[in-house]
Amino acid sequence: ETGVTQSPTHLIKTRGQQVTLRCSSQSGHNTVSWYQQALGQGPQFIFQYYREEENGRGNFPPRFSGLQFPNYSSELNVNALELDDSALYLCASSLVRTSGSHEQFFGPGTRLTVL
Amino acid sequence: AQSVTQPDIHITVSEGASLELRCNYSYGATPYLFWYVQSPGQGLQLLLKYFSGDTLVQGIKGFEAEFKRSQSSFNLRKPSVHWSDAAEYFCAVGNSQGGSEKLVFGKGTKLTVNP
Repeated sequence: ETGVTQSPTHLIKTRGQQVTLRCSSQSGHNTVSWYQQALGQGPQFIFQYYREEENGRGNFPPRFSGLQFPNYSSELNVNALELDDSALYLCASSLVRTSGSHEQFFGPGTRLTVL
Repeated sequence: AQSVTQPDIHITVSEGASLELRCNYSYGATPYLFWYVQSPGQGLQLLLKYFSGDTLVQGIKGFEAEFKRSQSSFNLRKPSVHWSDAAEYFCAVGNSQGGSEKLVFGKGTKLTVNP
């Protein structure tokens, strides 16, 4: 069973640029969530995708967008990068079958540095 | 709004000593509670979870946690700490409002283990 994988591991961009981060869900999972973890902070929920549609969003501006593909992999896109976007971006997958909370399995993250 | 408070930013214990990490949550309904561990530069690994039932839950690596509704707490414990337990620990509450499932994390407690 393959766990959650993310690419790239590290990324350096400059202000104003755009970035795409990728995530492959754990086998059998149908839901992907993205979190931003700034240095010294806990992860913060960006958004969640279920059946290829956004299914909830945290307090992040529209320049943070995403996609989920038929194979349940996902992308996080960030436009017009700002210095404060520097963080570890974590992807988590889960299998949602019924109501209630479900365990989320996290990938190793992508470290984004914006200069 | 849901929130999680981890009052201790940094804790240092000696190897073999007992450990308790504190977590308090604010959530209107029955909470789903989690403890995750993060080693430097890594993603999050689930230690244990509480959904319902027995308020004392056992997790991996010898950790346990007790849900106390009256105190809105979910403290993590380990009777004897090993040097490999040095890491950052995050408490989280699961929120299923609006159909999506997001985790709200505390700011984390960094654990240092002295030999």
